[in-house]
Amino acid sequence: EAGVTQSPRYAVLQEGQAVSFWCDPISGHDTLYWYQQPRDQGPQLLVYFRDEAVIDNSQLPSDRFSAVRPKGTNSTLKIQSAKQGDTATYLCASSLGLSQNTLYFGAGTRLSVL
Amino acid sequence: KTQVEQSPQSLVVRQGENCVLQCNYSVTPDNHLRWFKQDTGKGLVSLTVLVDQKDKTSNGRYSATLDKDAKHSTLHITATLLDDTATYICVVGAPQGGRALIFGTGTTVSVSP
Repeated sequence: EAGVTQSPRYAVLQEGQAVSFWCDPISGHDTLYWYQQPRDQGPQLLVYFRDEAVIDNSQLPSDRFSAVRPKGTNSTLKIQSAKQGDTATYLCASSLGLSQNTLYFGAGTRLSVL
Repeated sequence: KTQVEQSPQSLVVRQGENCVLQCNYSVTPDNHLRWFKQDTGKGLVSLTVLVDQKDKTSNGRYSATLDKDAKHSTLHITATLLDDTATYICVVGAPQGGRALIFGTGTTVSVSP
């Protein structure tokens, strides 16, 4: 069974540049999460979806970050104008509902903003 | 205040030794607790999930306990291998709500030859 796939694996940007991260969840998983994990810290939830609907984006910096899941399958997280403080690993996870037995994480995208 | 606290922050063990990781939390409600292993620069791999009020699980050389009354969990790694070198993250999950998972900051385990 294919796992959660993320791309790219790495990204290096100058401040002010834009970047998009892509996530392909496990087939059939209706719930998709995006987390930000700064170096040496635990992941912090940014946003999560049930199908195409945003359930909680309260921790998403709305002025520069956006996330979509238009068909309830793949998802894209975009940073419009990156800052050095955005340097982190961005993890995508998916599950069937909130069932923790089906929760799987992707390998992440490691972002460095210079 | 951190809702999920792990200790120690880091530890070094020699290959073949056992180690115990601690997780204390203040999350309410605490529907379940999960331990993840994260290799450097990689995603999180689930080791075990604990659900019951007082629960125990075993997954190969990994075993875990949960006491919801004490809001405390332990992860035991038996006969460590070099491949056990990683960060181990404790995660508490609520049944509903926006923040479905509350992550600890992890314990970094280094296994030496």
